Amino acid sequence: GESVGLHLPTLSVQEGDNSIINCAYSNSASDYFIWYKQESGKGPQFIIDIRSNMDKRQGQRVTVLLNKTVKHLSLQIAATQPGDSAVYFCAEKVWNSGYALNFGKGTSLLVTP
Amino acid sequence: GAVVSQHPSWVICKSGTSVKIECRSLDFQATTMFWYRQFPKQSLMLMATSNEGSKATYEQGVEKDKFLINHASLTLSTLTVTSAHPEDSSFYICSAKPSYGYTFGSGTRLTVV
Repeated sequence: GESVGLHLPTLSVQEGDNSIINCAYSNSASDYFIWYKQESGKGPQFIIDIRSNMDKRQGQRVTVLLNKTVKHLSLQIAATQPGDSAVYFCAEKVWNSGYALNFGKGTSLLVTP
Repeated sequence: GAVVSQHPSWVICKSGTSVKIECRSLDFQATTMFWYRQFPKQSLMLMATSNEGSKATYEQGVEKDKFLINHASLTLSTLTVTSAHPEDSSFYICSAKPSYGYTFGSGTRLTVV
């Protein structure tokens, strides 16, 4: 079935650099996307979201870009810090599952000093 | 902000016994809650959608008789893993939709020995 996927399973960056995590989705009907951060042994933590009528949204140190033409989503983290080390998931709202979220495979971000 | 409380955070049980996991929305009412399962180094997989006052909707491949879901009130959904076996060992996470976005519990680490 249709699903959300990620290009890179792992990403290692130096502290202070910018990080970019990518996500490809295949369901053209998806209209809402969320990025989550998950630390080991914890539940997902909301980072930022975007609706399909937008192509960019900024938060504190984070930016989400949405390219509906190629069904691509990215999360940019500015000035990456050691505390940003975690697994990052993109998720899309699935209308046919009671509006549950369908999660991508995840990218493990490792920030090195 | 909207908070979902999940208990227990971890549980160890013997093979063949049943385990109940609770998910409570603390400051909002949730007519719908979602249950996910996450194996190590994998993504969150939707198991079922829990609906207050009615039967849960299970995803394909999830045994409804094994994973019993009860959503008897607007603030509580429970997942009971019946006759647990070692292969049921996983990280179980619940989620709910407040007025905006989605919020997740902290997860339950189930280990069946």
